[in-house]
Amino acid sequence: AQSVTQLGSHVSVSEGALVLLRCNYSSSVPPYLFWYVQYPNQGLQLLLKYTSAATLVKGINGFEAEFKKSETSFHLTKPSAHMSDAAEYFCAVSDVSGNQFYFGTGTSLTVIP
Amino acid sequence: EAGVAQSPRYKIIEKRQSVAFWCNPISGHATLYWYQQILGQGPKLLIQFQNNGVVDDSQLPKDRFSAERLKGVDSTLKIQPAKLEDSAVYLCASSLDRGASYEQYFGPGTRLTVT
Repeated sequence: AQSVTQLGSHVSVSEGALVLLRCNYSSSVPPYLFWYVQYPNQGLQLLLKYTSAATLVKGINGFEAEFKKSETSFHLTKPSAHMSDAAEYFCAVSDVSGNQFYFGTGTSLTVIP
Repeated sequence: EAGVAQSPRYKIIEKRQSVAFWCNPISGHATLYWYQQILGQGPKLLIQFQNNGVVDDSQLPKDRFSAERLKGVDSTLKIQPAKLEDSAVYLCASSLDRGASYEQYFGPGTRLTVT
């Protein structure tokens, strides 16, 4: 069975501050892990994914995430928040087959000017 | 390149009525997914197609939900009869092929309100 837990349904940061969104996963098989962003009234867009290669994954818009097997975590970070980063962020897990995708409940990021 | 198209964008129906959603994936994408996103929750995968065949529909409530992709391109998702708890955004996504290494591209969704 696979699942993800996103800690913190709402996160607020000041513009220019570090963004840290937390995701912990549970998987009985080697996981594929994903971060998606969703802007209001839009579909989800892939930010980055981990597919068992490098543990530090760089994505679009300056985001990156590090896979830590010992901590079963895949936290999303960005060194300096921009106003345009305000959105809903979802962590997801799958196995290599992709037959099942499990999304977390999401974290709403607010950027304060 | 055109993205995933969905229609309608919004739908309001009364409980016990039926409703259908349409999805046109990105041209050439073999795999198509339907998700249900209830307010405040993450998307839940309902069904996955590979061309015109079903890969997985284990989370589709088959007593009221049905989906088809007859020619391996467009897909429709139907609910009959609708319940209040079906109020959600229904997202369609497509990928070039099956497997987690292939990126899923999402449409804008159809927001369903059941009254």
